[in-house]
Amino acid sequence: GENVEQHPSTLSVQEGDSAVIKCTYSDSASNYFPWYKQELGKGPQLIIDIRSNVGEKKDQRIAVTLNKTAKHFSLHITETQPEDSAVYFCAASIDFGNEKLTFGTGTRLTIIP
Amino acid sequence: DVKVTQSSRYLVKRTGEKVFLECVQDMDHENMFWYRQDPGLGLRLIYFSYDVKMKEKGDIPEGYSVSREKKERFSLILESASTNQTSMYLCASSLPRAGYEQYFGPGTRLTVT
Repeated sequence: GENVEQHPSTLSVQEGDSAVIKCTYSDSASNYFPWYKQELGKGPQLIIDIRSNVGEKKDQRIAVTLNKTAKHFSLHITETQPEDSAVYFCAASIDFGNEKLTFGTGTRLTIIP
Repeated sequence: DVKVTQSSRYLVKRTGEKVFLECVQDMDHENMFWYRQDPGLGLRLIYFSYDVKMKEKGDIPEGYSVSREKKERFSLILESASTNQTSMYLCASSLPRAGYEQYFGPGTRLTVT
C-alpha cells in the first residue's frame, strides 16, 4: 500500500518568513495530494490540493508543488502570520473509486512573532 | 455550514469496558471514516464506510468494529477497551471518491485507565 513520509516534524519560523514542508510517497499510481491544517482543539481542514496533471497550484499565500518523477510534493507558505501556527498533514491517494487517503505524520508549525 | 459532530470531546473509560464513539454528519455524504491520531504517527485509518451497512477495514482495524445503520451516523466500537487504545479519535465524511474533501469532526480524546 501507499506510504507517505513527511518532514520536518516540527518547524519554527519568524513571522513574515516562508515555511516549507515536504512529503514523499511510494505508490506511483497516486494522483491526488491534499494538504490539511489542524488548529488546536479542532479537526483537520483541507487548505489546498493538487492533482498529478499539474505541477504547481497557488492560493494566496500558500502553494503546493508536485514532482511526479521524484514522487514528492511540498507545501509553501509565504509571509507567515501567527494564525498559520498549526499542525499540517500531507496525504496521497488514487483519485477514483473508494480509494482511501494515506496521511503523513504531520508537521507542527510555530510562527514566532 | 457543513458539520460533523462527535458525541464526546473527552471520554475516560476503564480497561475491559465496551466503548461507543458516535459520529453524525449533516451533509448527506456517502463516505464516512474513523481515524486515530497519535503524536508522531499522524492520522491512521481504522475503518471506513462508503454506504449504509457497508464497511471496509483501514490500516489498523484490530480491536475495533463499526456500525452504519443510517447514512448520517457512523459508530466506532471498542469491544473491550485497552490502555493502548488511549488516543484521539477523529471522524470524517466526504462525497464518494478519494478526490473529494474530507470534513472532520473535532475529535474525541479517549483515555483508557
